[in-house]
Amino acid sequence: SQTIHQWPATLVQPVGSPLSLECTVEGTSNPNLYWYRQAAGRGLQLLFYSVGIGQISSEVPQNLSASRPQDRQFILSSKKLLLSDSGFYLCAWSVSSGEYNEQFFGPGTRLTVL
Amino acid sequence: AQTVTQSQPEMSVQEAETVTLSCTYDTSESDYYLFWYKQPPSRQMILVIRQEAYKQQNATENRFSVNFQKAAKSFSLKISDSQLGDAAMYFCAYWSYSTLTFGKGTMLLVSP
Repeated sequence: SQTIHQWPATLVQPVGSPLSLECTVEGTSNPNLYWYRQAAGRGLQLLFYSVGIGQISSEVPQNLSASRPQDRQFILSSKKLLLSDSGFYLCAWSVSSGEYNEQFFGPGTRLTVL
Repeated sequence: AQTVTQSQPEMSVQEAETVTLSCTYDTSESDYYLFWYKQPPSRQMILVIRQEAYKQQNATENRFSVNFQKAAKSFSLKISDSQLGDAAMYFCAYWSYSTLTFGKGTMLLVSP
């Protein structure tokens, strides 16, 4: 069966510090991968998605970036965090073939920028 | 761009009763999918039900059913025989061309 992992589970970082959140998927090959952010009182906002190694699409311009160094690894990064980067970050995956495939979400990372 | 609107920030229901959560969306596409996701306090996103836009029949999953009105761009979720475990944030979402757009959510409170 497929599983998706995210770490860390919680993170408290000062403004201006770097960020690296990791997401890995097990039990599947060549998945589509997604990064979402959920700010307080709001829905999920798609930040990035990837259909393959090194292929990243950005949905929202900001100081965050994403990378996919391996087939089942998706990393969200920032060189300098802003207060507005606080939120709950969710990684998701879906099967890459077919017209539509359900997205499966990871447990999330709660980021607090102080 | 597609938008999804959930006009009810919070809803309350008693156990065993029925509650309906509202969702409207805006799109110019004819083929798309609509979903309801549940996010309990654990924050794990769980798919509750899915509706394909080309299907006229409303989707049903056990106690969960939808009222899909394509012309009105409305997609409501009905929860029958509510249970304490149904308490969660519920998100309506629209899918087209590999991306999901979410509404802001409705918090469902269930009282004994």
